[in-house]
Amino acid sequence: AQSVTQLGSHVSVSEGALVLLRCNYSSSVPPYLFWYVQYPNQGLQLLLKYTTGATLVKGINGFEAEFKKSETSFHLTKPSAHMSDAAEYFCAVKGPGNQFYFGTGTSLTVIP
Amino acid sequence: EAGVAQSPRYKIIEKRQSVAFWCNPISGHATLYWYQQILGQGPKLLIQFQNNGVVDDSQLPKDRFSAERLKGVDSTLKIQPAKLEDSAVYLCASSLGGGLTYEQYFGPGTRLTVT
Repeated sequence: AQSVTQLGSHVSVSEGALVLLRCNYSSSVPPYLFWYVQYPNQGLQLLLKYTTGATLVKGINGFEAEFKKSETSFHLTKPSAHMSDAAEYFCAVKGPGNQFYFGTGTSLTVIP
Repeated sequence: EAGVAQSPRYKIIEKRQSVAFWCNPISGHATLYWYQQILGQGPKLLIQFQNNGVVDDSQLPKDRFSAERLKGVDSTLKIQPAKLEDSAVYLCASSLGGGLTYEQYFGPGTRLTVT
């Protein structure tokens, strides 16, 4: 069965500080992993994805994530937070039939 | 290219009433998804279509929810009758289907409030 756990429903960082959002997954098949961002009153937008190949994945807006099979993790990072990064972030894992299983989300606050 | 379109954006109804949501996916996308996102939670898949056939509706409360995708393009999600716990944002997403992309494109959602 597929599932995703996002540790920390709320994360606050200062502008310019490192952003680290945690995601651990469970998957019965080789995992395909995704991070999405959701701004208020908008749909989800894909930040980055891991399917196969290089385990360090770079996405939009300076975000990246590293797939660590031994730790069943896919944490999202950004070296320097910007005010515009304040949003809800969702980690997701793809199931066998192209279904996506989403975590409960992490709300990122950026403090000026 | 145009994104996934949804309407209405907001809807307020009383419990036991009926409501319908409409989704127009990105042109050429074979796969269409409906998700329910309750406040403070991640999206939960309700139903997945491949062209006009249902791939997965295991989490769709079929006693009150129904969905169709006629002609494999637009889709409609209906709730009849609505309950208070149906208050949520209903997201539609589409993807090309197949291959290694698996990327889903989401619409802006319909926020439903049931009073």
